[in-house]
Order: sequence, then C-alpha cells, then structure tokens
Amino acid sequence: KQEVTQIPAALSVPEGENLVLNCSFTDSAIYNLQWFRQDPGKGLTSLLLIQSSQREQTSGRLNASLDKSSGRSTLYIAASQPGDSATYLCAVPNQAGTALIFGKGTTLSVSS
Amino acid sequence: DVKVTQSSRYLVKRTGEKVFLECVQDMDHENMFWYRQDPGLGLRLIYFSYDVKMKEKGDIPEGYSVSREKKERFSLILESASTNQTSMYLCASALSTRFEQFFGPGTRLTVL
Repeated sequence: KQEVTQIPAALSVPEGENLVLNCSFTDSAIYNLQWFRQDPGKGLTSLLLIQSSQREQTSGRLNASLDKSSGRSTLYIAASQPGDSATYLCAVPNQAGTALIFGKGTTLSVSS
Repeated sequence: DVKVTQSSRYLVKRTGEKVFLECVQDMDHENMFWYRQDPGLGLRLIYFSYDVKMKEKGDIPEGYSVSREKKERFSLILESASTNQTSMYLCASALSTRFEQFFGPGTRLTVL
C-alpha cells in the first residue's frame, strides 16, 4: 500500500533563506506527484504537478523535482518570504488511480 | 482557472441531524472527490465520483453518502451526524484521476 512521508513536520527559517521540503513515497509506480499549499483553516492550492516522465517543474520561486526510482520528491523554495508561511503537502495517486494519497505535510514558518 | 466552490465555510449541527455539503466545479471535470482532514490523520478520501450518478467508496465511507445528479455538482450527505464527524471537509475535482486535482475552500463542520 502506498505511503507518503514528509520530513520535517515543521520548519522555521528567516526571510530570504533558500529551503528544501522533502517528500518520499513507498511505491515508485506513480503517474504523477502534486505539491499543494494550505493556509490555516483554508483549502488546498495546487502549486506544481510533476508527471512521471518529468524530472522537475518550476513555477516562479518554486522548483519541484521527482526521482521515481528512489521514491523521492523535493520542493525547493528560493528566497523565502513571510507570505510563504503555510503547510505544504505532497500527494500521489493511489494504485487504482482513483484518489490522491497525501503526506502529513510540512508546516513552514518564515520570519521577517 | 478552475474554480471549485463549497456551499458553506462553517457549519454547526446537532447530533442526529441530516447534513448536506455541496460542491460545485466550473470546468466540466469528470471526476469529483470528497475528503476529510483531521489533525494527525491528514486527508482521507470519503467518496469519489467519475461520472454523473456514478460513485465509489473511498477509505472512510461509513456514515456518509453522496449524490451526483449533475456533472458540476457533488454532494456529501451525513445521514445522521455524529460528534466524530466534526472535521474539515474538502471537495476536489479533476479532468481525470491522473491529472491535477483542484480543491475548494473547505467546510469546517462542527457536530455538537
């Protein structure tokens, strides 16, 4: 059964720092991997979707990489800002392709 | 941009009441999903629908039912609300189960 793990659970950094969030999954037979952002009490905002044939995707200051063979993805945030403070979740489709399996998330706090 | 809306941001109901949560998407997506999110447990799939009037159970369907009479609308029904159904409920839609999922703002339900 697919399991998704995110480490660390929480991270605090000063403004301007570059940082990496980690996501690992146990079954490498995935179609894609999606990164989300969630602000407190709010829904999920899709940040990046990486298809299984891709190795990375970029959107602004965000860069996500995917290494299927090792079962890992990273989300790189450049020049962090206080507005980046949120919980970041990664998710992969289940084996049947019927829904997403989520990690528990990394809660990021960027101080000014 | 895809827009997924949910009927209420906050709901307070009493034990035993019948509760309806509604979700509407505007992108003609085939697939729609209901998840619940709880601290420490993350997001878990309740039900999903891959076409009008078609539905499949997710990981935690007990105590819930769903209705999809129109493509754009997916309703979650709590037949007799219980306190253990107090949670954040999130609706999502996707063109295909292997494509990007888009989430609504969530409904925070409290059952007293």
